[in-house]
Amino acid sequence: GAVVSQHPSWVICKSGTSVKIECRSLDFQATTMFWYRQFPKQSLMLMATSNEGSKATYEQGVEKDKFLINHASLTLSTLTVTSAHPEDSSFYICSALADPYTDTQYFGPGTRLTVL
Amino acid sequence: TQLLEQSPQFLSIQEGENLTVYCNSSSVFSSLQWYRQEPGEGPVLLVTVVTGGEVKKLKRLTFQFGDARKDSSLHITAAQPGDTGLYLCAGDGGGSQGNLIFGKGTKLSVKP
Repeated sequence: GAVVSQHPSWVICKSGTSVKIECRSLDFQATTMFWYRQFPKQSLMLMATSNEGSKATYEQGVEKDKFLINHASLTLSTLTVTSAHPEDSSFYICSALADPYTDTQYFGPGTRLTVL
Repeated sequence: TQLLEQSPQFLSIQEGENLTVYCNSSSVFSSLQWYRQEPGEGPVLLVTVVTGGEVKKLKRLTFQFGDARKDSSLHITAAQPGDTGLYLCAGDGGGSQGNLIFGKGTKLSVKP
């Protein structure tokens, strides 16, 4: 089956630093990937849609200058949290669209970000 | 704005019991998906329902899509501790790129 990986699986950083999270589709190509954020005991909230070779589409209320997305290849999308603050601490999950005709998304295992 | 309401929010039962969780909306969805998520992991797709009135079975799990395609249910028969997890329903967000909107989930705990 389609496998999506994320790296790192967890990261702890100091306030004010930037953190990059990678999302890779291991055995398929994905022109579209999605980034979600999940706070404790809450559901997944879509942050942005990442398209290979073009600018990402951000959901309302998500700062594009703070959450930089780069989808440079068909198997890799990166999310960089710039100048992270404690309120950015969350579980970040990516998904990749394996087949645009079925809209089936395969999710990565998530990245736990803790900002001190 | 499309919303998916899940109920109950929490459910704690004994092994062997049956349960049903619900996913409701005032909006029509072309499809609904059910996921199971364990702590510290990404959600795993269980099933996609696309036809109004459709019923799909996955071992002890039975999924139903409402006739009007506004609601869905997940029924688990003879629950086992391994069924413990967060069950999420998700529907197409209406965008052109396949984005999903998720319900808040039902946190199920099955005690031995």
